[in-house]
Amino acid sequence: KAGVTQTPRYLIKTRGQQVTLSCSPISGHRSVSWYQQTPGQGLQFLFEYFSETQRNKGNFPGRFSGRQFSNSRSEMNVSTLELGDSALYLCASTLSGPRDSPLHFGNGTRLTVT
Amino acid sequence: GQQLNQSPQSMFIQEGEDVSMNCTSSSIFNTWLWYKQEPGEGPVLLIALYKAGELTSNGRLTAQFGITRKDSFLNISASIPSDVGIYFCAGGPSGGSNYKLTFGKGTLLTVNP
Repeated sequence: KAGVTQTPRYLIKTRGQQVTLSCSPISGHRSVSWYQQTPGQGLQFLFEYFSETQRNKGNFPGRFSGRQFSNSRSEMNVSTLELGDSALYLCASTLSGPRDSPLHFGNGTRLTVT
Repeated sequence: GQQLNQSPQSMFIQEGEDVSMNCTSSSIFNTWLWYKQEPGEGPVLLIALYKAGELTSNGRLTAQFGITRKDSFLNISASIPSDVGIYFCAGGPSGGSNYKLTFGKGTLLTVNP
């Protein structure tokens, strides 16, 4: 069974630009969550999508947005990039949030903003 | 917001030694999860705990869900070089759903052969 796939693996952007990251969940998983990982703040929850709807949201500014498609694939968009947005962005999937289905993470997209 | 205090921040041990790390919180969690992350990869689930007092093993790893629901620990016995990595605890919200986790800052484990 293929794991969570994130593309691209690495990305370099300049301040002010926007970026779109992609995530394909494990087959059959309908919930997709996004996390930001930085050395200073650790892993922080961005948002979660289920059945094409944002079901939960973390404490990030509106520049961070996402969406989910009917095949459960998800994209995350960051507009007007800032230097502080440099991080590893991790996508994780789970069946639908039942107790016996913990998060399975992809290998992340490393975003560098210059 | 909820926070998890994970300790120690880092550990340097000799191969064969046992390791213990823990997470504490001022908030109650209904799920405790332990993940390991290696360079260039995403976190990989090691052990999931869903019931207060639960003690679960996965090979040389053992984790417990604290009775108060505010803490959890992970033990690794007879460490080997491939145990190197960052270990994260994570607490999950009520209802057992795991999509919104609160993570500790991680414990960096180094094993000297």
